[in-house]
Amino acid sequence: SQTIHQWPATLVQPVGSPLSLECTVEGTSNPNLYWYRQAAGRGLQLLFYSVGIGQISSEVPQNLSASRPQDRQFILSSKKLLLSDSGFYLCAWSPGNNQPQHFGDGTRLSIL
Amino acid sequence: AQSVAQPEDQVNVAEGNPLTVKCTYSVSGNPYLFWYVQYPNRGLQFLLKYITGDNLVKGSYGFEAEFNKSQTSFHLKKPSALVSDSALYFCAVRDMDSNYQLIWGAGTKLIIKP
Repeated sequence: SQTIHQWPATLVQPVGSPLSLECTVEGTSNPNLYWYRQAAGRGLQLLFYSVGIGQISSEVPQNLSASRPQDRQFILSSKKLLLSDSGFYLCAWSPGNNQPQHFGDGTRLSIL
Repeated sequence: AQSVAQPEDQVNVAEGNPLTVKCTYSVSGNPYLFWYVQYPNRGLQFLLKYITGDNLVKGSYGFEAEFNKSQTSFHLKKPSALVSDSALYFCAVRDMDSNYQLIWGAGTKLIIKP
């Protein structure tokens, strides 16, 4: 069966520090991959999605970036974190177009 | 413009009573609709989907949803609520301009009281 791993579960970072969040999927190949941010336990904001290695689409201009160095690995990065980057970050995968997305357990990021 | 609305910010139901969480949508063409549940500090879990076929869709944990094309609705239902059903529920619809993305509702907090 397929599983998705996301780490770390929680992270506290100072303003201006770099960020790297990692997400990996097991048990499938060539998944669609997604990064979301959820603010205040409510609405989901799509940040990036990828339909293949090296293919990244950005939905919201910001100081975050994403990379997909391997088929089942999706990384969210920042060179300098802002206070506004605080939130709950969720990685998800889907097996193909129009299929349900399956989520990791998220990373709660606090910026001090 | 495409959109999904969950008109209730919170729904309160007594344990054992039926529950309904409402969702309406606005898209062009045939909608693909999804329901997800989120427990505190966890990721979202897929409950059920409607793509085509029977208007009543059955999903996980005893939930079902009714697709109503004329009312552009896809309400989530359960005949008898459990305290453990208390969670945040999201409705989503396929973005017709992109095969890869979903348009998400704002979420409805469901509270089941013993």
